[in-house]
Amino acid sequence: QKEVEQNSGPLSVPEGAIASLNCTYSDRGSQSFFWYRQYSGKSPELIMSIYSNGDKEDGRFTAQLNKASQYVSLLIRDSQPSDSATYLCAVRGAGGTSYGKLTFGQGTILTVHP
Amino acid sequence: EPEVTQTPSHQVTQMGQEVILRCVPISNHLYFYWYRQILGQKVEFLVSFYNNEISEKSEIFDDQFSVERPDGSNFTLKIRSTKLEDSAMYFCASRGGTSGTYNEQFFGPGTRLTVL
Repeated sequence: QKEVEQNSGPLSVPEGAIASLNCTYSDRGSQSFFWYRQYSGKSPELIMSIYSNGDKEDGRFTAQLNKASQYVSLLIRDSQPSDSATYLCAVRGAGGTSYGKLTFGQGTILTVHP
Repeated sequence: EPEVTQTPSHQVTQMGQEVILRCVPISNHLYFYWYRQILGQKVEFLVSFYNNEISEKSEIFDDQFSVERPDGSNFTLKIRSTKLEDSAMYFCASRGGTSGTYNEQFFGPGTRLTVL
């Protein structure tokens, strides 16, 4: 069973701080990694994708990938109250039977307080 | 900006009834998916669809479930005889291709299915 694990939180940070969200995955052959944001009662919204080891920055968001450690993280700089949501880590497996589908973690609830 | 749309937003049905959930994927996308999320639980993969056929399905996607792309725009999920445990949010997603940003899946707003 291919698993994706996240620290479930909740994670609470003050406005303006850096929020750090972590995710590990079990399928060593995984190639594509995604972070989605999900507000309560809403659908997952893609915020970052990363495919290569290292860092990828997009505005206040930085995704980090370490395939050797099977670890992916998301940093949110200058956190805002509007960032308060559940953050979902999703992994797309290698080809073959897991081609295309996303396996999600259980999500980390982030609260940014003023 | 192109987006995935789903109808209805909320469907209430009696146990044993058939339901059809509808999705319009992003135009020109090639890969289509259904996921579900039971309240308070993970998003779970149900089925993927490419080139007018199922490419992968999960253990959840049993004989009670079927998918169809009846025309060039719609993508449907049918549950033949609903059970109480089918109550969940059902999300449709689509993906353009297999490389770069075409690898990214975009989700619709979901249909909340309530089985009584």
